[in-house]
Amino acid sequence: AQSVAQPEDQVNVAEGNPLTVKCTYSVSGNPYLFWYVQYPNRGLQFLLKYITGDNLVKGSYGFEAEFNKSQTSFHLKKPSALVSDSALYFCAVRDLSGGGADGLTFGKGTHLIIQP
Amino acid sequence: NAGVMQNPRHLVRRRGQEARLRCSPMKGHSHVYWYRQLPEEGLKFMVYLQKENIIDESGMPKERFSAEFPKEGPSILRIQQVVRGDSAAYFCASSPPGTGVGSPLHFGNGTRLTVT
Repeated sequence: AQSVAQPEDQVNVAEGNPLTVKCTYSVSGNPYLFWYVQYPNRGLQFLLKYITGDNLVKGSYGFEAEFNKSQTSFHLKKPSALVSDSALYFCAVRDLSGGGADGLTFGKGTHLIIQP
Repeated sequence: NAGVMQNPRHLVRRRGQEARLRCSPMKGHSHVYWYRQLPEEGLKFMVYLQKENIIDESGMPKERFSAEFPKEGPSILRIQQVVRGDSAAYFCASSPPGTGVGSPLHFGNGTRLTVT
C-alpha cells in the first residue's frame, strides 16, 4: 500500500525568508510524486511533479521540490516566501507498481502561514 | 476553456435523504476521480471512472454510495440515506485520456455537503 506523511500541521515563515514544507512517502515500487495547493473554499491546484530524471523539480509560482530516494522524501521549497503563498499544501503519491489504487494518495496537508 | 465544474457548491440534506453531486470534467477529459475531504484531514480517494466504466472503486464505502459517468452528461456521485458522518467536501478531478499515471489531476471547487 502507498502512503504519504506530512509531519507538520502548520509552518510559519516570515515574508522574504525561505520556506520548506516536508513530505515523506512509502510505496512498494517507484513513485510518482506531486504537490498541490488549496486556497480557502477552492479545489486543489497542481504545483509540480516528480516522475523521473533530475531530483530537483521546478514548478509554478517559484516553488521547487527535491526528490530524495534514500530518505523517501519530497520536500517542497521556495527561496523567498510571499504572503500570498499562505494556503494549505498537499503532497501526493502514486505507486507505479500497480499495488495501490489508481487514484493519488494524499497527505493530511500542511497549513503554510507567511507573516508580513 | 472551462475547468472542472461541480454543482452544487453547497448542499444541505436531512438525515435519511439522498444527495446527488455532479461533476463535469474539463473538455476533452474522459477520466474522472472523486475524493472526499473531511475537516482537518487530507483527501481520501473514493472512485475512478472512465466513460461508462468504473475502473477503481476501492475507496468507496460499500453501502449507500455509488458513482457513474455516463456516455453523455456529467459524472454523478450519489449518497443514499445520508448520515451526519457524510458531511464533508467532495471533490471531483479529471485528466485527459492516454496521458498515463504521471498526468496531474485538475480539480473542481468541490461540493460541501452538510447533513443536518
